[in-house]
Amino acid sequence: SQTIHQWPATLVQPVGSPLSLECTVEGTSNPNLYWYRQAAGRGLQLLFYSVGIGQISSEVPQNLSASRPQDWQFILSSKKLLLSDSGFYLCAWSGAGTGLEETQYFGPGTRLLVL
Amino acid sequence: DAKTTQPTSMDCAEGRAANLPCNHSTISGNEYVYWYRQIHSQGPQYIIHGLKNNETNEMASLIITEDRKSSTLILPHATLRDTAVYYCIVRVNYKLSFGAGTTVTVRA
Repeated sequence: SQTIHQWPATLVQPVGSPLSLECTVEGTSNPNLYWYRQAAGRGLQLLFYSVGIGQISSEVPQNLSASRPQDWQFILSSKKLLLSDSGFYLCAWSGAGTGLEETQYFGPGTRLLVL
Repeated sequence: DAKTTQPTSMDCAEGRAANLPCNHSTISGNEYVYWYRQIHSQGPQYIIHGLKNNETNEMASLIITEDRKSSTLILPHATLRDTAVYYCIVRVNYKLSFGAGTTVTVRA
């Protein structure tokens, strides 16, 4: 069966510090991978998605970036965190393909607090 | 995007069926209805999805009206662990967009 991992679970970082969040998926090959952010009291916002190694699409302009060095690995990064980057970061995977029936499965999330 | 409307909250008795309604009157013919739930401080959990026909899995049943303008998620025997925010989503592309959802509280 497929498993998705995220770490760390929680993170407290000062403004201006760098960020690296990791997501890994087991038990499936060539998945589509997604980074979402869920801010307190707000809905889910898609940040990045990837259909393959080195292929990243950005949904919103921001000071975050994403990379996919391995088929099973998706990394969210920032060089300098802003207060507004605080939130709950969720990684998700789906099967390869762009059909509307490709269900997305979420990881446990990383709660980031920028102070 | 086709928008969905859900009740803000609902209570349910443990062991009883929980029926969660969702209106999606602007849904298009090829758009799927998805349901997820999110227990506090956890990632969203996929429950079920459907296009036109009713669907059932080990977690729940999804009843979609014939005109597809509304649907109902049924948790057949609610337990305390089913307390969560339930999101009804009309899927239009690769993006998932959660609204406020329905906060379901299962009471003993």
